[in-house]
Amino acid sequence: GENVEQHPSTLSVQEGDSAVIKCTYSDSASNYFPWYKQELGKGPQLIIDIRSNVGEKKDQRIAVTLNKTAKHFSLHITETQPEDSAVYFCAASKQGAQKLVFGQGTRLTINP
Amino acid sequence: GAGVSQSPSNKVTEKGKDVELRCDPISGHTALYWYRQSLGQGLEFLIYFQGNSAPDKSGLPSDRFSAERTGGSVSTLTIQRTQQEDSAVYLCASSLSNSGNTIYFGEGSWLTVV
Repeated sequence: GENVEQHPSTLSVQEGDSAVIKCTYSDSASNYFPWYKQELGKGPQLIIDIRSNVGEKKDQRIAVTLNKTAKHFSLHITETQPEDSAVYFCAASKQGAQKLVFGQGTRLTINP
Repeated sequence: GAGVSQSPSNKVTEKGKDVELRCDPISGHTALYWYRQSLGQGLEFLIYFQGNSAPDKSGLPSDRFSAERTGGSVSTLTIQRTQQEDSAVYLCASSLSNSGNTIYFGEGSWLTVV
């Protein structure tokens, strides 16, 4: 089955700097890659997703890139702000699949 | 409702007791998922419903865990004879269908077995 690896497990950056979180997946048939943000005591919230027919997607300060050949995808957050502090999860699934397989999460801390 | 609703938000139970966790998905969402998140860990898939049927129960950890969904809406996750290792946040999610649609999560039910 699918296996998703996520790095780093913790990341600390200065406010205003960029943060990058990377994930790799094992199943070449996976074609949907969402990113979720989870704040303390809350459920995960979708922040951006990408499908395998595109290589990059941007939404304001957030971008995701996908390299299908290498089977990895990354989350990029620019001009980080304190409210970006949270745990971020990547995930992967196949078209028609019934579930997302999640990475282990990255705890991002933005230092003022 | 506007989002996925879960109850109770917190539950403390004694080892050996049964617990029921409830999920009310977003109206119109036919797909419903249960995940488990242990402290500081990732999300572990438990079971998936399409309508009232559960095509994938592969993530249920043991026969003490069961789930049902009635009327294509509300789902209940039942844990029998709870053990301390069952302590976790149980997250419910829903989507329009099972085919690549966005999956929306509830706030979770935090279960503590003492």
